[in-house]
Amino acid sequence: DAKTTQPTSMDCAEGRAANLPCNHSTISGNEYVYWYRQIHSQGPQYIIHGLKNNETNEMASLIITEDRKSSTLILPHATLRDTAVYYCIVGLGTYKYIFGTGTRLKVLA
Amino acid sequence: EAGVVQSPRYKIIEKKQPVAFWCNPISGHNTLYWYRQNLGQGPELLIRYENEEAVDDSQLPKDRFSAERLKGVDSTLKIQPAELGDSAVYLCASSPGSSSGNTIYFGEGSWLTVV
Repeated sequence: DAKTTQPTSMDCAEGRAANLPCNHSTISGNEYVYWYRQIHSQGPQYIIHGLKNNETNEMASLIITEDRKSSTLILPHATLRDTAVYYCIVGLGTYKYIFGTGTRLKVLA
Repeated sequence: EAGVVQSPRYKIIEKKQPVAFWCNPISGHNTLYWYRQNLGQGPELLIRYENEEAVDDSQLPKDRFSAERLKGVDSTLKIQPAELGDSAVYLCASSPGSSSGNTIYFGEGSWLTVV
């Protein structure tokens, strides 16, 4: 079973920030939080990952709570091309990746 | 830099027929994965290679599925004979290693329909 809990679906207006939450209350001290997304008919695409500190790259920001039991992926200015299924994964190594069913984000024009 | 390359992209076969999928990982990536993704579900790991060694094949249905990674680079996943329930997307992925902090990169997937 996935070690994370995500909402099934979310809508976001184009140009606004999309905030995707993830609960991982059983995360252990050395486990990373990874985010991937999957656009229809494509393979999962890596977005960002982090351990304890907040992280930012050209695609998104990752905010991890101090107790590490939850995190939020932020797409600062969502576009229609960001419509996808977003997966939050926690794992010690890549062999421990367990994908859940993710959050289906729909960006609305 | 080229990403993970898979072929064929789409395949339709009749049940009981064999099928094979090919994967070329990102250059220099020692770890290679095959995942299966059913409609509406997240990917599930079938097998993981470290170089040419299959270090985790516990989820691979060995009665009909086989995989190989000769010379620790390209890999092939075979199904023989295929069943209706094998219809899914087969994803190949690679990473530099499998320890903490490594990132997996996925190919576009091979879409299999068994009729």
